[in-house]
This record gives sequence, C-alpha cells and structure tokens, in this order.
Amino acid sequence: DAKTTQPNSMESNEEEPVHLPCNHSTISGTDYIHWYRQLPSQGPEYVIHGLTSNVNNRMASLAIAEDRKSSTLILHRATLRDAAVYYCILSRETSGSRLTFGEGTQLTVNP
Amino acid sequence: KAGVTQTPRYLIKTRGQQVTLSCSPISGHRSVSWYQQTPGQGLQFLFEYFSETQRNKGNFPGRFSGRQFSNSRSEMNVSTLELGDSALYLCASSWGSEGRTEAFFGQGTRLTVV
Repeated sequence: DAKTTQPNSMESNEEEPVHLPCNHSTISGTDYIHWYRQLPSQGPEYVIHGLTSNVNNRMASLAIAEDRKSSTLILHRATLRDAAVYYCILSRETSGSRLTFGEGTQLTVNP
Repeated sequence: KAGVTQTPRYLIKTRGQQVTLSCSPISGHRSVSWYQQTPGQGLQFLFEYFSETQRNKGNFPGRFSGRQFSNSRSEMNVSTLELGDSALYLCASSWGSEGRTEAFFGQGTRLTVV
C-alpha cells in the first residue's frame, strides 16, 4: 500500500477553519484518498473520500492537488466535537475494502 | 438505519482460552472487515470477508480466524489467547469490496486477557 505522511498533531480554535494536510507522493492512479477520524473511546468514523476532483460533503471538504501527491482535509468551522485523530488513507480500487491506518493527526480544538 | 453492531462490548478472558466476537453489518452491506487496535501498534487490519469469502488477510497468526454468514453477519475467533491479544477489536462494514467504498465502523469489543 502507498504510504501517507501526516503531522502528528495540530491545534485549532473553535469556529475557525482547519486545514489538515496529507502527503502521498507514491500514490498510484487507482488509489482513492480516504479520510477517517476517531474520537476518544469510539470506532473510526468515515469523513470523506475522493479520487481526482475536490469533494464536499456535510462534514468536510477534500482538496486534492493536481498531481495527486498531496491532499488537504478542510473542516470549515471547527467545533469541540471535531477534536479527534484524523487518518488519511490510500485505498487501491482492487485491494478490497482493506484500510491501512497510519498514526494520523491528533487535532486539538481550543474553546 | 441501524449502524454496525458489535457484541459483546467488553470481555475478560484468561490466557489459553478462546473467544468469539460478533459483528452485524449495516443492512445491505456485504463486506465486513476486522481490525485490532492497541496503543503500541495502532489500528491493524485482520481480515475482510465479502459474500462469505475471505478476500484479504492481514499479518496475524493463524490463531486469528473469522467467517461470514449468508446474512453478512461475521464472527472472529481467537484461540489460545495471549496477554498481547488484549485490544479493541473493531468491525467495519461496506456495501462493496472496492477501494472506492466507504467503511462504517462499530464501537468495538474491548478484550482483556488476564
């Protein structure tokens, strides 16, 4: 599986936008970029995913670089509930629904 | 729509025993994957089942096994438990088995081996 690199931790203030970066320089053409987050004492939660184009949903936006070697998860207005570990994962189209989790980014949201 | 249900939520077992964990996926989902989460190793993939067939397997010893039933419900079994098997075991369901499908996770089963 292609590897992703994320900062270990980030901090944000409540009601401000948050941009969580992810580098994936060895991404292949059939790799989907997925984001999941895990709140304390809970299972991971799906956030968003995309292939080439930017994606928006009710939770977040995913901005994908033109060369696909990096992406950014955007939380438009952080809330305290958004404090979690965020995982950026590449999932190959043919590799089933297997997800390879790295260490992720611990997001702290300050009131 | 009900989410992914894992039972039991908590379990305490003794070394050498075996354990069976259960996962009921979201209705209509045919893929079920299992993960182990420990503080030291993070989230690690165990195996994936799709339409009762194992599609993928992670790097775990043969003591870890699973199966999927015709109604997509899945069980995983760990035999001859070791202290290091203490972990949060998570189940995820997806409607398909391709990289583009999103996974929905249960709350997990917290296994403690003493």
